[in-house]
Amino acid sequence: AQKVTQAQTEISVVEKEDVTLDCVYETRDTTYYLFWYKQPPSGELVFLIRRNSFDEQNEISGRYSWNFQKSTSSFNFTITASQVVDSAVYFCALSEADSGGSNYKLTFGKGTLLTVNP
Amino acid sequence: KAGVTQTPRYLIKTRGQQVTLSCSPISGHRSVSWYQQTPGQGLQFLFEYFSETQRNKGNFPGRFSGRQFSNSRSEMNVSTLELGDSALYLCASSLMTALTGELFFGEGSRLTVL
Repeated sequence: AQKVTQAQTEISVVEKEDVTLDCVYETRDTTYYLFWYKQPPSGELVFLIRRNSFDEQNEISGRYSWNFQKSTSSFNFTITASQVVDSAVYFCALSEADSGGSNYKLTFGKGTLLTVNP
Repeated sequence: KAGVTQTPRYLIKTRGQQVTLSCSPISGHRSVSWYQQTPGQGLQFLFEYFSETQRNKGNFPGRFSGRQFSNSRSEMNVSTLELGDSALYLCASSLMTALTGELFFGEGSRLTVL
């Protein structure tokens, strides 16, 4: 079963539109970490945000905002007033301990390709 | 400061061969983790090294191995290459363990197995 689900494979918007990228995760751990990374066409992944499971406070950074809801196991990412430079693949990731508790695993979603058209 | 450097950037191998990829982390970072990215399977965690010790491991066969040197540089080795090993291999460094901290990624090594 997929641990991190990004149901939207591709999204296409016109510049200045708002867009939300969905991320749903599955874990039995009480302590875990969630991340968003951006992979532009150049290929290098860029860190956007980290959230631990005890911090449900939403965060805003410029045009980016994140909504973390443990009740629905979701960690959604919104870009306000999108720009062409936002075009990239966005990955949501979950870090958790395995059943033995001694080995951590980092699981990425399949990614969402966002295309922002001028 | 200098970013994460991966070498070589591109390489072509044939089935059955082995390959070694190198990763130089950001200065001061003690954690180096490796990832495989393919169109079919997406981005998958291979393993992490921290202060020369393998700390965490993903679900990959023993043909995939790695090591970390005292200067934190890391190498990843894949033996007995299979066609399915064709992928972009990404390395990332981090101040703390990779699985809880911000990762800084290199540009990757693109491996093609013929």
